[in-house]
Amino acid sequence: ELKVEQNPLFLSMQEGKNYTIYCNYSTTSDRLYWYRQDPGKSLESLFVLLSNGAVKQEGRLMASLDTKARLSTLHITAAVHDLSATYFCAVDIKGGADGLTFGKGTHLIIQP
Amino acid sequence: DAGITQSPRHKVTETGTPVTLRCHQTENHRYMYWYRQDPGHGLRLIHYSYGVKDTDKGEVSDGYSVSRSKTEDFLLTLESATSSQTSVYFCATGTGGFEQYFGPGTRLTVT
Repeated sequence: ELKVEQNPLFLSMQEGKNYTIYCNYSTTSDRLYWYRQDPGKSLESLFVLLSNGAVKQEGRLMASLDTKARLSTLHITAAVHDLSATYFCAVDIKGGADGLTFGKGTHLIIQP
Repeated sequence: DAGITQSPRHKVTETGTPVTLRCHQTENHRYMYWYRQDPGHGLRLIHYSYGVKDTDKGEVSDGYSVSRSKTEDFLLTLESATSSQTSVYFCATGTGGFEQYFGPGTRLTVT
């Protein structure tokens, strides 16, 4: 059974600070996904990481994947209030065709 | 957005009644999925479909059934709703590789 663990599950930080969210998974997979969810909204795709060593950046967010360690990180640089949201990582086994397994999410609050 | 709509968006129903949620997509994606989201659990896969009339169970399929008679529509049915099925339900679509695209969600309350 594939398990996906995120930590921390809750994070409160100040604007301007840097922090990292971690995503560990239990079964070999070459694909990892990061999503953002605002309160009461749907999930927005942030990054799709498709191979070992993949690194993607968008604005103040950078995601990386180490398939050997079964670890992905989402790094936040110089946080701003607008990045407050819940962030989910998700993993698939068979190319995503039979669904994704999600972590429980990291609820991020960025305070001015 | 990948042209995904869900209906209804909100529903309150009583225990023991049947409920059907609809997901409609305009992207002609082959794969469709139903997830439920509960506090402390993230999203969990209920059922998925890999083509018309082709469906399979996910992690939390007990108490749910699905049907897909057309590429664009994927129905989720709770035959006899229970309070434990109070949740937010998300439909997603995909091409079978890479990412999935999520609908706006349906908030279901079973009293």
